[in-house]
Amino acid sequence: GENVEQHPSTLSVQEGDSAVIKCTYSDSASNYFPWYKQELGKRPQLIIDIRSNVGEKKDQRIAVTLNKTAKHFSLHITETQPEDSAVYFCAAEGYSSASKIIFGSGTRLSIRP
Amino acid sequence: NAGVTQTPKFRILKIGQSMTLQCTQDMNHNYMYWYRQDPGMGLKLIYYSVGAGITDKGEVPNGYNVSRSTTEDFPLRLELAAPSQTSVYFCASRDPGQGDQPQHFGDGTRLSIL
Repeated sequence: GENVEQHPSTLSVQEGDSAVIKCTYSDSASNYFPWYKQELGKRPQLIIDIRSNVGEKKDQRIAVTLNKTAKHFSLHITETQPEDSAVYFCAAEGYSSASKIIFGSGTRLSIRP
Repeated sequence: NAGVTQTPKFRILKIGQSMTLQCTQDMNHNYMYWYRQDPGMGLKLIYYSVGAGITDKGEVPNGYNVSRSTTEDFPLRLELAAPSQTSVYFCASRDPGQGDQPQHFGDGTRLSIL
């Protein structure tokens, strides 16, 4: 079945710098890759997603890139702000197991003032 | 729309007790999911359903049961509660129509087994 690995598990960056979180997936037929942000005690909230027919997608300070050949995708946050501090999860939906969405283990991002 | 509603928000169980975690959605989504999230960890898929009458196992189904008699409801049943089931449980739903769509999550049920 699908397996999603996420790195790093913790990340600390200076306010204003960029943050990059990377994920790899095992199912080469996977076709949908969402990213979620979870604040302490809250539910996961979708921040951006990408489909397999797209290599990159951007929404203001957030961007996601997808490399299907290497089976990895990354989240890029530029000009980080204190409110970006949270846990971020990547996820993948396997085409061979349509509808089954598997999550990575999460990255705790801390923004230093 | 209320979205995805989970009840209860908190619950403490004794070892060996049983309970049902309720999840209902009012978005007419066919796909529904149950995840558990242990402290400081990611979300693990327990069970999922692609429509009424259809359920399937996820990554960690042992110790749980589900049913899907209606599109709106997807309850999760713990038959013999064990300390290892202490976790936060999230229900989610999704609309598979018109291409890939994101999951909508409920606020979670925080469950402690003592």
